[in-house]
Parts: sequence; C-alpha cells; structure tokens
Amino acid sequence: KAGVTQTPRYLIKTRGQQVTLSCSPISGHRSVSWYQQTPGQGLQFLFEYFSETQRNKGNFPGRFSGRQFSNSRSEMNVSTLELGDSALYLCASSLEGSNYGYTFGSGTRLTVV
Amino acid sequence: AQSVTQLDSQVPVFEEAPVELRCNYSSSVSVYLFWYVQYPNQGLQLLLKYLSGSTLVKGINGFEAEFNKSQTSFHLRKPSVHISDTAEYFCAVSSQGGSEKLVFGKGTKLTVNP
Repeated sequence: KAGVTQTPRYLIKTRGQQVTLSCSPISGHRSVSWYQQTPGQGLQFLFEYFSETQRNKGNFPGRFSGRQFSNSRSEMNVSTLELGDSALYLCASSLEGSNYGYTFGSGTRLTVV
Repeated sequence: AQSVTQLDSQVPVFEEAPVELRCNYSSSVSVYLFWYVQYPNQGLQLLLKYLSGSTLVKGINGFEAEFNKSQTSFHLRKPSVHISDTAEYFCAVSSQGGSEKLVFGKGTKLTVNP
C-alpha cells in the first residue's frame, strides 16, 4: 500500500513569507502528527490531528498551525517565516495514535533565506 | 513530562561486530517505548516497540531491545551489524493513558565500517 506522502520535498522561502506543507497519510489512518527536525533541537512535536480535530499540541508559537480534512489529509502552515524555521518537517500517520507505531513520510525540507 | 537520553551521539563499529545503542528515559507514569531508524534523506521507520508483556522485544532487521523498568532503560542491540545498518537511531517514549505524543531522544548515529 502507498506510504505517507509529503509535498513538496524541498522548499526555499524568504523570511517573512508564509508556507503550507501537505501530508497524505496511509489509507485508513486517522491520526496525523507533525514533527520539526533540526540538527540542534532534534525531533520536536508540533501537533497531532485525529478525525479532523487537533488532539495534541507542542510548544511552538502560534505562527505554526495545521488542519486535517475529512479524508485525513493534513496541512501545516507557517506564517511570517523566520530563519530559525529552516528544518525538515516530518509528517507521521497512525491508525489511532502513536502507540500503534507511526509511519513517517520522507519529509519536506524547508529553507528560509 | 517525559524525557529521553541517548547516551552516545555517535557509535562506530566494524561490520559483523555486535552493537548496543543505549537509551534511558524519565517519566512519572508508565510508558510505552519505541526505537526508530532514519536513513539519509528519509523519514523515520519503526524498528520495534514495547507496550507490555515480555521485556525483550524483537524488531525488524535483526534488532532487539530490552525494557528494564528499574533502570529506566531500553537499550537496542544487534548481534552482528551490516554496512546497510549505517543510519541514525532514535529512542522515543510516550505515556500510557496520556496525551500519546512521542518524545524523542537526540539520536545515535551508527556507522558500520568494513
């Protein structure tokens, strides 16, 4: 079956712009989580959506937001980009939640210049 | 809140040698434990997980891990590594009955040399 698909794979944006990243989970998976990965901070949890509702949220500023659609596809948005937002953004899907084991996408590499 | 400490940031080994990647966690509640692997330019792949039952957990690619509650550890082992095992390995924890968000360690870069 198809894995978790993230688009685009690479993005270059200018400071102050906004960006939207997309994630298509494995068919039948209702939980979608987003992580930010950087060399300095490692993997940090952004938020989790389950059946279109945000179930958990990490410690990120309000510039980071997300949503989930009825088909479980998810998007995350970052407004007013800062240089420090440069990172690999990973989406992970699961049947019901993390305890079932996540399947990760290959990520979107965002570079802010 | 939970936290995870991976004691070694880099582990170099020779091919066919055994390897152990160490992981300790901190939590005030019972936890679930996971190991994930990340190959270059890819996302993370689940190696194995401990939810309950036997403390020795077997995963994919010949890896296994042992849950030690008294020492709050979940070390990953493989008796004989291959070049293809070169990757970064992440230990993660989530709380039972809690928010279920995964908290990851900083990762251990395993390099297998010929």
